[in-house]
Amino acid sequence: DAGITQSPRYKITETGRQVTLMCHQTWSHSYMFWYRQDLGHGLRLIYYSAAADITDKGEVPDGYVVSRSKTENFPLTLESATRSQTSVYFCASSDLGIAYEQYFGPGTRLTVT
Amino acid sequence: QKEVEQDPGPLSVPEGAIVSLNCTYSNSAFQYFMWYRQYSRKGPELLMYTYSSGNKEDGRFTAQVDKSSKYISLFIRDSQPSDSATYLCAMSVVAAGNKLTFGGGTRVLVKP
Repeated sequence: DAGITQSPRYKITETGRQVTLMCHQTWSHSYMFWYRQDLGHGLRLIYYSAAADITDKGEVPDGYVVSRSKTENFPLTLESATRSQTSVYFCASSDLGIAYEQYFGPGTRLTVT
Repeated sequence: QKEVEQDPGPLSVPEGAIVSLNCTYSNSAFQYFMWYRQYSRKGPELLMYTYSSGNKEDGRFTAQVDKSSKYISLFIRDSQPSDSATYLCAMSVVAAGNKLTFGGGTRVLVKP
């Protein structure tokens, strides 16, 4: 499928478990991003990547790990999930030099019990 | 204090009315100003963008940027029920590597 996809779409996990959220884009965009969206906070950047093997922290990186071995994939791992990480997670991508347009995936709704 | 402030709403208007949305910001280095629309349980999608100051019009939508006041606006004319969504403003500094800073979003409800 063309575009940007996320999996799973819904996930319930327990406190302390490791969880990996997947993101895949078919446009070969240079940049990829992970956000979390919470009521009262809007979209907050967790991590981003400018290219394969280049990642950097965003506004709220604690408790998360990312990797980008291939241009098209950008998985986000919660090493030991906490209830405060219950949120909707969005992956996005954008092309180099097109700072104003990010393409978002459909989101993953994560609940940590 | 957040870098970008946006009233969360909800903003309820009758069909056909003008919807007026705005954001204020504190970082004078912002150069790109965007409006994203997000339908319920969907990802945001770009509606409009403006580089630096000025106005931009696209159909029923008009975006305005006032850099001297650090204030941006989005107007929706002849609003339709299909315009019911959350509208997020976003801003970026060109040198910041495609990163965007988002406002919290304003929920808009257009009633038939």
